[in-house]
Amino acid sequence: AQSVTQPDIHITVSEGASLELRCNYSYGATPYLFWYVQSPGQGLQLLLKYFSGDTLVQGIKGFEAEFKRSQSSFNLRKPSVHWSDAAEYFCAVGDISYNQGGKLIFGQGTELSVKP
Amino acid sequence: NAGVTQTPKFQVLKTGQSMTLQCAQDMNHNSMYWYRQDPGMGLRLIYYSASEGTTDKGEVPNGYNVSRLNKREFSLRLESAAPSQTSVYFCASSEGQGRTNTEAFFGQGTRLTVV
Repeated sequence: AQSVTQPDIHITVSEGASLELRCNYSYGATPYLFWYVQSPGQGLQLLLKYFSGDTLVQGIKGFEAEFKRSQSSFNLRKPSVHWSDAAEYFCAVGDISYNQGGKLIFGQGTELSVKP
Repeated sequence: NAGVTQTPKFQVLKTGQSMTLQCAQDMNHNSMYWYRQDPGMGLRLIYYSASEGTTDKGEVPNGYNVSRLNKREFSLRLESAAPSQTSVYFCASSEGQGRTNTEAFFGQGTRLTVV
C-alpha cells in the first residue's frame, strides 16, 4: 500500500541551528514528492516539489530536499532555522499515474518548534 | 488573485444536522479535492473531481457527498453530521489530468465541530 511516514512527530531546534525533517515513502512507481508547511490556523503552502531530474531540489524560504530512491526518502533540510519557521511540515506523495498533482498521500506531519 | 476560497471558516453543528461546505477556485484548474485533517493523521482525501462532471471517492468518503457544480466550484455535503466528522476540512485544486508537473493549491480550511 502507498504510504508516507514522518518518523518525528515533534522537533525542537534552536534558532540558527540546522534542521532536517525526515520523510520515507512507500510507492509502487516513480513518485511525485512534495513538502508543505502549515502555520497555525492556516492552509498549506508548498515549500518544494520533486518530479524528476536533479535529486536535490530547492524551495522557498531557504529550504531544500533530497530525493534518495535507494532509501525511499525525501528529507527536508535548512541550514539555519529562523523563529518564523515554527510550523507543521507535511511530506506528501502524488499519484503520477493520473498526472494529478492534488491527489496526494500525506505523512502525519512534523511539528517544528524553534527556541530563541 | 484569491486562489482557493472556502466558506465558512468555522462551523458548529449538532449531531444529525446537515451542511454544505463550499469551495471555489479562480485559477481555471481542472481538478479539485476535499481533504480532512485530524491530529496525528495528516490530511486524508475524502473525494476528488478530476474534471468538470466527474467525481471519485478518496480514502475516507463515508458520510460525505460532493458536487462539482461547474469548473470553479466543488462542494462537500454532510447529510447527517456525526461527532467523528469533527475535523478541519481543506479544499484544493490543481491543473489536473493531462498536465504534468502540477501541484495542488489549498484553501484556508473550514474548522467543523460536531457536538
